Amino acid sequence: ETGVTQSPTHLIKTRGQQVTLRCSSQSGHNTVSWYQQALGQGPQFIFQYYREEENGRGNFPPRFSGLQFPNYSSELNVNALELDDSALYLCASTHPRGGGGEQFFGPGTRLTVL
Amino acid sequence: GQQLNQSPQSMFIQEGEDVSMNCTSSSIFNTWLWYKQEPGEGPVLLIALYKAGELTSNGRLTAQFGITRKDSFLNISASIPSDVGIYFCAGQGDQGAQKLVFGQGTRLTINP
Repeated sequence: ETGVTQSPTHLIKTRGQQVTLRCSSQSGHNTVSWYQQALGQGPQFIFQYYREEENGRGNFPPRFSGLQFPNYSSELNVNALELDDSALYLCASTHPRGGGGEQFFGPGTRLTVL
Repeated sequence: GQQLNQSPQSMFIQEGEDVSMNCTSSSIFNTWLWYKQEPGEGPVLLIALYKAGELTSNGRLTAQFGITRKDSFLNISASIPSDVGIYFCAGQGDQGAQKLVFGQGTRLTINP
């Protein structure tokens, strides 16, 4: 059974650009959540996708958007990048029969905005 | 954004010592989880707690879900060098989105 994978591992962008991050959920997991982790902080919830629809959103502006595909993989898109968007972006998946909060994380994508 | 209050922020201990860290919240949570994160990696789930008062162990790790549902603690017994890392508590309160709210982390350093 493969775990959660994310790509790319590192990315450097300039302010104002757009970025797409990708996540493949753990086998059989149908729910994907995205988190932003600033340096020295705990992860902050961005949004969650279930059955290809957004299922809850944290305190992030609309320029953060996402998609989930029929195979449960997911994308996070960020438009009009700002310097403060520099962070580790984590994807987590949940098994449909798993405990309510058990989310399994990928290794993350380190985004640097210059 | 919303965060849990996790303490201590950092710990410097000798190998073999026991470790205790805790997490508090002003809100009630239905689930408490403890994760460990090492450099360059995502958080790894250590223990999940689902009932108030629940005490759960995973090897040398023991965690408890507070009776008030507003706190949790994690103990590590007989620490070893591979325990080094950042430990995060996380709470889940929303019934729908299963959003996790994280603490700021406890950085554990072990002197051999």
